[in-house]
Amino acid sequence: QVQLQESGPGLVKPSETLSLSCSVSGGSIIAHCWSWIRQSAGKGLEWIGRVYASGKTDYNPSLKSRVTMSADTSKNQLSLKLNSVTAADTAMYYCARGLGGGADLENWFDTWGQGTLVTVSS
Amino acid sequence: EVVLTQSPATLSLSPGDRATLFCRASQDISRYLAWYQQRPGQAPRLLIYDASNRATDIPARFSASGSGTDFTLTISSLEPEDFAVYYCQQRYRWPPLTFGGGTKVEIK
Repeated sequence: QVQLQESGPGLVKPSETLSLSCSVSGGSIIAHCWSWIRQSAGKGLEWIGRVYASGKTDYNPSLKSRVTMSADTSKNQLSLKLNSVTAADTAMYYCARGLGGGADLENWFDTWGQGTLVTVSS
Repeated sequence: EVVLTQSPATLSLSPGDRATLFCRASQDISRYLAWYQQRPGQAPRLLIYDASNRATDIPARFSASGSGTDFTLTISSLEPEDFAVYYCQQRYRWPPLTFGGGTKVEIK
């Protein structure tokens, strides 16, 4: 059974870059599409973007100018970078696996990590 | 951007009751809607995708229907573990993929 584990600093200073990793175990990242989703009290669940093992990405237009996602097949790991953070970026950050079984189904999320809480504060 | 509006915000029910949750889209999204359950301290869990397809290992007491702009999730008889927050999500018009604001099902 595939498992996802997010990791990264829990505290980031305003204007700096938030960097998170998602380690995937029990399955290869090659077979699926992988999304990053965040959850805050103020904005609820917000899709940040998605990445394939090939490196192909799609981003939320509202965050596109600040987001970079990548995949490392040698480590079976995904990464998220969000630059120029502000307090509004304080949230629980999740990585999630697309359902699979066809491109159309990759935008449903059938497996989630436990999430990592990131606070933006000086 | 497709806005999803969930109602009611809170549903107060007892174990064994039937729960009916609603999700309305700001524009036609065909049947491209999913439902998730989130228990306290946990990540969301996929219940339903493409409006009415139950995800793997989801009990039959969860069912859903709808198309276009109006969707419904029904829990036929609430179990103690069903008291949680439920979210809808659309994939028809993206990016971005969007979620509703959630309905909390609480014990009456």
